[in-house]
Amino acid sequence: KQEVTQIPAALSVPEGENLVLNCSFTDSAIYNLQWFRQDPGKGLTSLLLIQSSQREQTSGRLNASLDKSSGRSTLYIAASQPGDSATYLCAVGMVPKDSNYQLIWGAGTKLIIKP
Amino acid sequence: DGGITQSPKYLFRKEGQNVTLSCEQNLNHDAMYWYRQDPGQGLRLIYYSQIVNDFQKGDIAEGYSVSREKKESFPLTVTSAQKNPTAFYLCASIGGAGANEQFFGPGTRLTVL
Repeated sequence: KQEVTQIPAALSVPEGENLVLNCSFTDSAIYNLQWFRQDPGKGLTSLLLIQSSQREQTSGRLNASLDKSSGRSTLYIAASQPGDSATYLCAVGMVPKDSNYQLIWGAGTKLIIKP
Repeated sequence: DGGITQSPKYLFRKEGQNVTLSCEQNLNHDAMYWYRQDPGQGLRLIYYSQIVNDFQKGDIAEGYSVSREKKESFPLTVTSAQKNPTAFYLCASIGGAGANEQFFGPGTRLTVL
């Protein structure tokens, strides 16, 4: 059974630093992997989607990498800003046998950027 | 603007009541999902629907029911059989240029009084 882990659960860094958020998964037979951002009391916003055949995706100051063989993905945030403060969730897309596409979720990393 | 809307934003339920959470999308997506989010946990799948008039149970379907009479709408009913319904409920649909990219509504926070 696929399990998705995000470490650390919380992270606080000064403004301007580059940082890396980690996501690990136990089953490498994934369809894709998606990173989301969630602000308190709000829905989720999709940040980056990496297909299983891809190694990385970039959007602005964000770069997500995928290493299926080691069961890891990282989300790199360059030049962090206070507005980046949010919870970041990783979700692995699977197509189980005799079933439909599903996302398996990590518990998230709560990021605080200090001014 | 295309997107997913959920209503109400906040909902309060008395013990023994059924309540229905609304989810509407104008993205022309076929697949829609309901998740439950509790503090410190990942999202858990309640129900999903791949097409109109069809839906499947997720990991925690007990105490919940859904319908999918229209492509745009996927309401979730939290029944009195759900013993611990206080949570944040998120509706999502799948589509986009990137295959299987999931889009979310703003959520409904349900509290049992």
